[in-house]
Formats: sequence, C-alpha cells, structure tokens
Amino acid sequence: GDSVTQMEGPVTLSEEAFLTINCTYTATGYPSLFWYVQYPGEGLQLLLKATKADDKGSNKGFEATYRKETTSFHLEKGSVQVSDSAVYFCALSDPASYDKVIFGPGTSLSVIP
Amino acid sequence: DTAVSQTPKYLVTQMGNDKSIKCEQNLGHDTMYWYKQDSKKFLKIMFSYNNKELIINETVPNRFSPKSPDKAHLNLHINSLELGDSAVYFCASSRLGGYTFGSGTRLTVV
Repeated sequence: GDSVTQMEGPVTLSEEAFLTINCTYTATGYPSLFWYVQYPGEGLQLLLKATKADDKGSNKGFEATYRKETTSFHLEKGSVQVSDSAVYFCALSDPASYDKVIFGPGTSLSVIP
Repeated sequence: DTAVSQTPKYLVTQMGNDKSIKCEQNLGHDTMYWYKQDSKKFLKIMFSYNNKELIINETVPNRFSPKSPDKAHLNLHINSLELGDSAVYFCASSRLGGYTFGSGTRLTVV
C-alpha cells in the first residue's frame, strides 16, 4: 500500500541554519504530495503542496520539489527561525483511494537562538 | 469563522464510558475524515465519509462508530472507552484534494 517515510528527529538547529527534512514515498498511482506543520498544542496546517512531477511547492520560505524519479519530496528552508520550531509531516493523497491522506511519522524541529 | 470546528477541545473520562466528539465544516466540502494522533505524534486515518456515505473504514475497533447526519457534519462516537484510546483526534474535510483540519480533540481516558 501507499506509505511515506521521513527522516527521524528530533532535529535541533541554530537560528539562520539551513534546513532539510528528507521525505520519500511509495504509491501505486499519481499522488499529490504535501508538507503539513503542527505547532505545539495546535492542529495541522498545510505548509505547501505539489500535485504533479517536477512541481515545486513553496510557502513562508519553505520549498519542496516533487521528484518522481526518486519518489521524494524533501523540505528545505535557507534560514530557519525560532518560530519554525514545530513538527513537520510529509504526506500524500492518492486519488485512487478517495484522496485519503497518508502521513509520514513526523519530524520534530527545534530551532535555538 | 472557523472552517472545521471540533467539540470538545479536551475530554477527560473514565474507562468504560461512552463519549462523542462532534465535527462541523462550513466550507461546502464533500468529504470528511477522522484521524487519530497517538502520543508519538503518528497520524492515522480512521474513517472517511463522502456526502454522508462511508467510503473509508480502516482497521478500527467497532467500539468506534462515525455518524454523518449531513455532509457538513461528521461525529465520532466511542463506546466502552479504554486507556489506549487516549489520543488527539482530528477531523478534516476536503474537496478535490484540498484539505482543512480541525484543531483537534484531546481525549484522555483515566
């Protein structure tokens, strides 16, 4: 079945450091890919998405490119801030499965001043 | 206006009790979902309804019963609560792949 794998955390970075969170997926169809963010004590918010191969999603300085050849959707940000501290979830939705979203295990990010 | 609202936000109850969590969306979406987030933050889909019809039913104990009176509402009823049911439950809705999540209900079974 469909699945999403993320790099394990927690990840601790200093402010202004470069961030990469790796994500790979397995899907039988042509999924859409997402990054969601969960700030402490809050629900999930969509950070960015890409719906087809080679699409780049971007938002708030974060970027991820849909790579079909490597089945990857790595999240990057050039300069993280303390306010970026959160749990980041890579996810896919497969239109062949009623668009249900399958999440990766999440990566906790802590940014220290 | 909250797009996907869940009530209650927090729920503390004893083992063996029956409880319900309500979810409402005002986005006009056709599909609604329930997800469970465990203590390790892992998120797993439980159920999905499309226009009041059940379309996804993952491996969930039959103590959990979703009900959708109309396409704007999806409630979750849990019978005979167990300690392992403690988690955060998220409702979500979608239309053509665009998802919106509620803020979650933290259920604690003591």
